[in-house]
Parts: sequence; C-alpha cells; structure tokens
Amino acid sequence: KQEVTQIPAALSVPEGENLVLNCSFTDSAIYNLQWFRQDPGKGLTSLLLIQSSQREQTSGRLNASLDKSSGRSTLYIAASQPGDSATYLCAVVDGSNYQLIWGAGTKLIIKP
Amino acid sequence: DTAVSQTPKYLVTQMGNDKSIKCEQNLGHDTMYWYKQDSKKFLKIMFSYNNKELIINETVPNRFSPKSPDKAHLNLHINSLELGDSAVYFCASSQDSGGRGLFFGSGTQLSVL
Repeated sequence: KQEVTQIPAALSVPEGENLVLNCSFTDSAIYNLQWFRQDPGKGLTSLLLIQSSQREQTSGRLNASLDKSSGRSTLYIAASQPGDSATYLCAVVDGSNYQLIWGAGTKLIIKP
Repeated sequence: DTAVSQTPKYLVTQMGNDKSIKCEQNLGHDTMYWYKQDSKKFLKIMFSYNNKELIINETVPNRFSPKSPDKAHLNLHINSLELGDSAVYFCASSQDSGGRGLFFGSGTQLSVL
C-alpha cells in the first residue's frame, strides 16, 4: 500500500534563505507526483506536477525533483519570502489504481 | 472567474439534518473529486467521478451520496449529519483520472452542532 511521508512536519527559516522540503513514497509505481500549497482559510494551489518519466520541474523560484527509484521528491524554494509561508503538500498518483495519496504536509514559516 | 467553485463556503447545522454541498468546474475537466480534510490536515479522498461515472468510492458511510448531473458538476449530499462529520470538504477536478492538472476548490467548512 502506497504511503507518502513528508519531513519535516514544520520548518521556520529567515527570509532570503534557500530551503528544501522532502517527500518520500513507498511504492515507485507512480503515475505522477504533485506539490501543492495550502493557505489558511483557502483552498489548495497546485505548484508543480512531475510525470513519472520526468526528473524535475521548475516554476519561478520553485524547483521540484523526482527520483522514482529511491522513492523521493524534493521541493526547492530559492530566496524565500514571507509570502511563501504556507503548508506544502506532496501527493502521488498511484500507478495501479490512480488514487491520489497525500503526505501530511510541511508547515513552512518564513520570518521577515 | 473561479475554476472550481463550491458552495457554501461555511455550513453550520444541527445533528440529524440533511445538507448538500455543490461543486462546479469550468475547466472542461473529465474527473471530479470530493476530499475530506481531517483534524490532522490529511486529505482523504471520498469519491471520484470520471465523465459522470463513479470510479472511486472509498469507505465512506452511505449517508454520504455524491451526484454528478454532468461532468462539470459533482454535488455531495449528506443525510442524518453527525458530530464527526464536522470537517473541511474540498472539491477538485482534473483533466483525467490520473490527476493531471488537479485543481482544488476553496473548501467548505462544515460544523455540525
């Protein structure tokens, strides 16, 4: 059964720092992997989608990597800003049943 | 122009009542979902419809009944509401059943008193 784990559960860093959020999954048979952010009182926003055949995706200051063989993905945020403060969620689409399996999220706080 | 809109945003009701949450997407997506966010912030899938057909039906009490009149709408009806039903419910849509282009609504906070 596919399981997704995100470490750390919470992270607080000063503004301007580069940081990495981690996501691991137990079954490498995935269809794709997505990173989302969730802001309090708001819905989820899709940040990056990596297909199983891809190694990374970039959008602005965000870079997501995927290593299927080791069951890992990272979300790299460059030059962090207070507006980046949110909960970041990783989700994989299971390659066998196409269900979305979610991690518990990493709560990120960027201190001005 | 909201891509995935769900109404109402907040719903406060008494135990035993029946209520519905509506969801509409204007993205032309084929697949729609309902998720429940629990107290630990996990998002658990409840149902998924692809072109109006039910494709995922997780272990959810049969008091919860989804209805998809067309592929742009997926409504969630809940009978005999219980205290444990209090949660935030998210609707989402994607281009296909593989989750491509997954887009979420802003959530409906349900409080059962």
